[in-house]
Amino acid sequence: SQKIEQNSEALNIQEGKTATLTCNYTNYSPAYLQWYRQDPGRGPVFLLLIRENEKEKRKERLKVTFDTTLKQSLFHITASQPADSATYLCALDIVGYSGGGADGLTFGKGTHLIIQP
Amino acid sequence: KAGVTQTPRYLIKTRGQQVTLSCSPISGHRSVSWYQQTPGQGLQFLFEYFSETQRNKGNFPGRFSGRQFSNSRSEMNVSTLELGDSALYLCASSLLRTSWRETQYFGPGTRLLVL
Repeated sequence: SQKIEQNSEALNIQEGKTATLTCNYTNYSPAYLQWYRQDPGRGPVFLLLIRENEKEKRKERLKVTFDTTLKQSLFHITASQPADSATYLCALDIVGYSGGGADGLTFGKGTHLIIQP
Repeated sequence: KAGVTQTPRYLIKTRGQQVTLSCSPISGHRSVSWYQQTPGQGLQFLFEYFSETQRNKGNFPGRFSGRQFSNSRSEMNVSTLELGDSALYLCASSLLRTSWRETQYFGPGTRLLVL
């Protein structure tokens, strides 16, 4: 089955710097990868989706890269702010022959990002 | 447009009991997925319902079941509760069947504590 690895340790970044989070996966080649943000006591919120044929995707201060050779996605937050502190989850879905994800969305355990003022 | 709602938000049960959780998707969304989130295992997929039919199922025992009604609202049931079932149960809805095309919108979750 698909395995997704994210940095389990908290990532401490100084305000204003760029935060970079890593998502590595094994066994399959997903056509799409998604990133979510989760705040304590809340459900995840969708941030970005990147396709396998897209090397990079941007949305305001967020940037995601997708390297299918390395089986890795990087998530960047530029000019980070304390309000960006949260847990960030990557998720992928396998484009099965049925057209849907046989295992639903598979999530990494997330990386807890702390932006210090 | 109202978001995904889940009830109840918090629940305390004892071992052996059964529990039913409810999820109302965003209006117009036809797919509802359920996830279990624990500190050790992270977010794990339970099942997906689309048009009142279970379409996908994760690797959970048969004690976990669900259903979807004609208005797309969904319920999830856990029978014979075990201590390890203590978790945050999240419901997510999407316009169409869960796939790479679809963004999932999560509810706030139901925090279940089994004593």
